[in-house]
Amino acid sequence: SYVLTQPPSVSVAPGQTARITCGGNNIGSKSVHWYQQKPGQAPVLVVYDNNDRPSGIPERFSGSNSGNTATLTISRVEAGDEADYYCQLWDSSSDHHWVFGGGTKLTVL
Amino acid sequence: QVQLVESGGGVVQPGRSLRLSCAVSGFTFSSHGMHWVRQAPGKGLEWVAVIWYDGSYKYYADSVKGRFTISRDNSKNTLYLQMNSLRADDTAVYYCARDPRGSGSHFDYWGQGILVTVSS
Repeated sequence: SYVLTQPPSVSVAPGQTARITCGGNNIGSKSVHWYQQKPGQAPVLVVYDNNDRPSGIPERFSGSNSGNTATLTISRVEAGDEADYYCQLWDSSSDHHWVFGGGTKLTVL
Repeated sequence: QVQLVESGGGVVQPGRSLRLSCAVSGFTFSSHGMHWVRQAPGKGLEWVAVIWYDGSYKYYADSVKGRFTISRDNSKNTLYLQMNSLRADDTAVYYCARDPRGSGSHFDYWGQGILVTVSS
């Protein structure tokens, strides 16, 4: 089955740029989606199809995907961005499984 | 507005069964694939099952295959998850989520989640 690898944690100062990676075999050939989850809340979609944003998500959130790494970039980080972030894709090659990365805890210093 | 509301959770003994429901409103339920996703305490997200918009296809995570059954009633705008032979490692918050494209994509709306605790 397809495996997505994320760093357990990323730390960044307010106003700086946070980059959260998601590694997978030839992930650049797939559509990757990103979710933000704050404690006690349901996940929220922040980026879909590698680099599209749902309505209501700030332009500070963007994504890229190439080779074996997809990246969620959060510009001008705010205290309210502190959360867990998960990447996800649909693996059509293995009996139609939807796969999540292990999650990355973003800490705003 | 789009709403997904889970119900049916609680504490259940190992080996017993439980059925979760997800009542939806604010969109055309019969046009969308629907998923169950779970999250064990302190852990990450785990996809559980999907059902196509018309119920024609169903897929399951290996961890629940043969024990859980996903179904839907488009006349009642409701999604279900029948969970049999429950184990301690099924303890989790269970979310229902919508696939915006009917199948094979991402999750654009989520319910608030319902806790299932498997314990003797």
